Amino acid sequence: DQQVKQNSPSLSVQEGRISILNCDYTNSMFDYFLWYKKYPAEGPTFLISISSIKDKNEDGRFTVFLNKSAKHLSLHIVPSQPGDSAVYFCAATAQLSGYALNFGKGTSLLVTP
Amino acid sequence: DTAVSQTPKYLVTQMGNDKSIKCEQNLGHDTMYWYKQDSKKFLKIMFSYNNKELIINETVPNRFSPKSPDKAHLNLHINSLELGDSAVYFCASSRTGSTSGNTIYFGEGSWLTVV
Repeated sequence: DQQVKQNSPSLSVQEGRISILNCDYTNSMFDYFLWYKKYPAEGPTFLISISSIKDKNEDGRFTVFLNKSAKHLSLHIVPSQPGDSAVYFCAATAQLSGYALNFGKGTSLLVTP
Repeated sequence: DTAVSQTPKYLVTQMGNDKSIKCEQNLGHDTMYWYKQDSKKFLKIMFSYNNKELIINETVPNRFSPKSPDKAHLNLHINSLELGDSAVYFCASSRTGSTSGNTIYFGEGSWLTVV
């Protein structure tokens, strides 16, 4: 029962362009959303997050947008760089669940020079 | 300094054996977790401990037993290992009540292969 879905397993973008990674969720109790980046043979590293009371959060080249009515969030990376090539996991959590993260399956981003 | 460290990083063992994976965090967090990433790449919560007390226990066989001797450590012991236990196990920690939300930090993972 996947409560967080990333329907695009992979994405290829040219360096300098915008990368948009999408995520959908089904549980309306989720109140906090995070994006993690994962390189091979490493653990996921926190990238950016957003609370359910906001609809946008920006940190440098990374911006996360939240559309609660559509239960959809997206991560924008502008401009994309080759070092951004990694697997990106969307995660959602709820205070009631003890803040355990529910992960999507991940989207593998490849940024080509 | 590694914030969340887990050992061993790689473990190959035979079916039926008992093994442990250790985890330590030096972030001063009060909550620790074990996640499992299976062959399909799903990352799923297994256990969560807050101040050494178990708060989340997903549907995990009771062959898996977490132990938290203190807030900085959460070890995972697995009895009678089965082929299906082969996966990457990630330890993680977080600080509850943070005004910036609950950001969870992960270790590098322990690759368990049961043969």
